Amino acid sequence: DAGVIQSPRHEVTEMGQEVTLRCKPISGHNSLFWYRQTMMRGLELLIYFNNNVPIDDSGMPEDRFSAKMPNASFSTLKIQPSEPRDSAVYFCASTVGTSGTYEQYFGPGTRLTVT
Amino acid sequence: AQRVTQPEKLLSVFKGAPVELKCNYSYSGSPELFWYVQYSRQRLQLLLRHISRESIKGFTADLNKGETSFHLKKPFAQEEDSAMYYCALSGLNYGQNFVFGPGTRLSVLP
Repeated sequence: DAGVIQSPRHEVTEMGQEVTLRCKPISGHNSLFWYRQTMMRGLELLIYFNNNVPIDDSGMPEDRFSAKMPNASFSTLKIQPSEPRDSAVYFCASTVGTSGTYEQYFGPGTRLTVT
Repeated sequence: AQRVTQPEKLLSVFKGAPVELKCNYSYSGSPELFWYVQYSRQRLQLLLRHISRESIKGFTADLNKGETSFHLKKPFAQEEDSAMYYCALSGLNYGQNFVFGPGTRLSVLP
């Protein structure tokens, strides 16, 4: 298994543009997490899904951010419109259980730069 | 509210010296505590969790509920231990949030 797959690995975009980050969890895992990592705020949980259903999106910073999981093997995190303060590394993680008590397997991250 | 603090952003020790990475938490209940590690150019990965009571790569961590701490220790640091270490907390009930601390960068000097 290739582990959690994220694309793109790097994204540079201009302020105001729409950005879509993609994640493919490990096959058989039924929970998926989206995190944002910045120097100032560290690693923040944005949203997580159990069995494709969003459970807690309280970490999503504002309405410009949205996440979907249309099926067990794919999730997207969309930012529209993007702003320079959204620049960060975005991680996706998956786990076999339905809570964070199980080991989370992280993807390599997407480094987003908004100019 | 759940919170995890790691007071040291950077910790430098010499090879062979003992190392302790501090982690304190606040949680109203029985949490599960973890240490995750990110080596240079590698993915964030689980190092150990308190419930398994294992020693991984020579590291141990004891949950002290009285002091609400989960410090990570190793008696003799190695250069390959240099990495970013994150303490994390999860509630045991379904749907509860998962929180990471800000992280400590460990640098083991030759």
